[in-house]
Amino acid sequence: GENVEQHPSTLSVQEGDSAVIKCTYSDSASNYFPWYKQELGKRPQLIIDIRSNVGEKKDQRIAVTLNKTAKHFSLHITETQPEDSAVYFCAASMDQAGTALIFGKGTTLSVSS
Amino acid sequence: GAGVSQSPSNKVTEKGKDVELRCDPISGHTALYWYRQSLGQGLEFLIYFQGNSAPDKSGLPSDRFSAERTGGSVSTLTIQRTQQEDSAVYLCASSGSSGGNTIYFGEGSWLTVV
Repeated sequence: GENVEQHPSTLSVQEGDSAVIKCTYSDSASNYFPWYKQELGKRPQLIIDIRSNVGEKKDQRIAVTLNKTAKHFSLHITETQPEDSAVYFCAASMDQAGTALIFGKGTTLSVSS
Repeated sequence: GAGVSQSPSNKVTEKGKDVELRCDPISGHTALYWYRQSLGQGLEFLIYFQGNSAPDKSGLPSDRFSAERTGGSVSTLTIQRTQQEDSAVYLCASSGSSGGNTIYFGEGSWLTVV
């Protein structure tokens, strides 16, 4: 089955800096890669996703890049703000019926002002 | 309902007892997931239901864990003979179809085994 590795496990940045979180996956058939943000004590929520027919997707201060050959994808947050502090999870699955979404172990991002 | 609903929100049980956790997915969602999140840890996949297909049980950690989904809607996760290491938040999620669609999480059921 699919296995997703995520690094780093913790990341501390200054407000205004950029943050990058990287994930690798094992199943070359996976083609859907969402990112979830979980604030303390709350449920995870989708912030951005990418499918294997594109290499990069951007939404305001966040962007995700995908390298299918290397089987890795990354989350980029620019101009970080204290409210970006949370745990971020990457995930991977096949974009078809019958496949589960498998998550990485998460990255705790701390943005200090 | 408007979102994924889980009950109970908190459960304290004695070691060795059985517990049942309930998930009511978003109306019309065909896919339903159970994940486990231990304190400060990641989202551990447990089981996945998609429509009338056989569930993917590959993440269940032991035969003490089971889940069913009745009528393609409500799901119950059962943990038999609970152990202290079962203490965690059990998160249910649903989506319109498997793979490629946003999954929406419930608030979770906090289980503490004493």
